[in-house]
Amino acid sequence: DAGVIQSPRHEVTEMGQEVTLRCKPISGHDYLFWYRQTMMRGLELLIYFNNNVPIDDSGMPEDRFSAKMPNASFSTLKIQPSEPRDSAVYFCASSSALTANEKLFFGSGTQLSVL
Amino acid sequence: SQQGEEDPQALSIQEGENATMNCSYKTSINNLQWYRQNSGRGLVHLILIRSNEREKHSGRLRVTLDTSKKSSSLLITASRAADTASYFCATDRGKSTFGDGTTLTVKP
Repeated sequence: DAGVIQSPRHEVTEMGQEVTLRCKPISGHDYLFWYRQTMMRGLELLIYFNNNVPIDDSGMPEDRFSAKMPNASFSTLKIQPSEPRDSAVYFCASSSALTANEKLFFGSGTQLSVL
Repeated sequence: SQQGEEDPQALSIQEGENATMNCSYKTSINNLQWYRQNSGRGLVHLILIRSNEREKHSGRLRVTLDTSKKSSSLLITASRAADTASYFCATDRGKSTFGDGTTLTVKP
């Protein structure tokens, strides 16, 4: 298996622009997580899905952030409009139902810079 | 606030020495996990210890868990330069929540 695949690897955009981050989880995994990592706040859980359904989005910073999972093999995290304080590394992770609380598989992340 | 808190924030040792990192958490857990993150990469799962276990080994890794103190430690024996990375503990609570990590530097 190729592991969790995220794209793009790097994204540079200007304040006010829409940003879409993409994630392909490991095939067969039922859970998908979006995390954000910054020096100031560390690794924060933004939202997670189970069987394509959002279960907990309490970590989503504000209405500018939205996440979707239209099918089991694809998820997006959208920021509209983007702001400089959104600059961070965004990780997607997936896990199987059996190990949802025990072992997460992370993608390589998307480095987002909002100018 | 973060469920897991690692200590120390940074650790620098010579190759061959042992490295010990600690993690404290606030509420009851079902399990505690340790992850490694190399610079510019995603986190990689290292080892899991369940709440009814006190110690677990995996290769050069040794993890202990003290639920009465709500703390865990990760020991890396005979460290190598390739062990240079950030190490995070995570707890379940229905979804893994991570601490801020310990940055380990192993000098060759």
